[in-house]
Amino acid sequence: DQQVKQNSPSLSVQEGRISILNCDYTNSMFDYFLWYKKYPAEGPTFLISISSIKDKNEDGRFTVFLNKSAKHLSLHIVPSQPGDSAVYFCAAISSGTYKYIFGTGTRLKVLA
Amino acid sequence: SAVISQKPSRDICQRGTSLTIQCQVDSQVTMMFWYRQQPGQSLTLIATANQGSEATYESGFVIDKFPISRPNLTFSTLTVSNMSPEDSSIYLCSVGEGDSPLHFGNGTRLTVT
Repeated sequence: DQQVKQNSPSLSVQEGRISILNCDYTNSMFDYFLWYKKYPAEGPTFLISISSIKDKNEDGRFTVFLNKSAKHLSLHIVPSQPGDSAVYFCAAISSGTYKYIFGTGTRLKVLA
Repeated sequence: SAVISQKPSRDICQRGTSLTIQCQVDSQVTMMFWYRQQPGQSLTLIATANQGSEATYESGFVIDKFPISRPNLTFSTLTVSNMSPEDSSIYLCSVGEGDSPLHFGNGTRLTVT
């Protein structure tokens, strides 16, 4: 049973436009959510996170939105840059545990 | 954040053999984790490597297949034993301390022929 789902395996966006990556989860015990970015031949790197007590967290060009009632989070990248081309994983965790649950990833391609 | 060095970065192995993957961290950490990413799949936790005690394995993973060592607070190894083509994956070492997010090494891309 996939508790964290990223239903779009890939996404292409024009440089300068907004990229929106989506993630759905099923476990209501998750209270902390993260986004990771992965380049080829590298490990995933932490990008941004959000606690379940918030509905938005912003860090420069990256904003994560959380809709708890819909069990949905999204990552917005504005403006998108070619260097943002990578695979993006969302992850979720319940406080008091150490086990991160990852989605299957969305491959973002930003076209110059 | 901790710097994690993992080796080998990639290997091609014959079925029936074993491969040991090393993970070195530049600072002492309590918890080290081993993940697997099969082609087109999400990252799946194999086990938590605890210094001074046996590793804690997740459902579907067993010590005989994936023995883990954790001799000190900066180093761990994962062995993939008696390999089959289904073991072809990226294996990732990671560390997480307190409220800090999980940090990953660059991974080992394993191909079993």
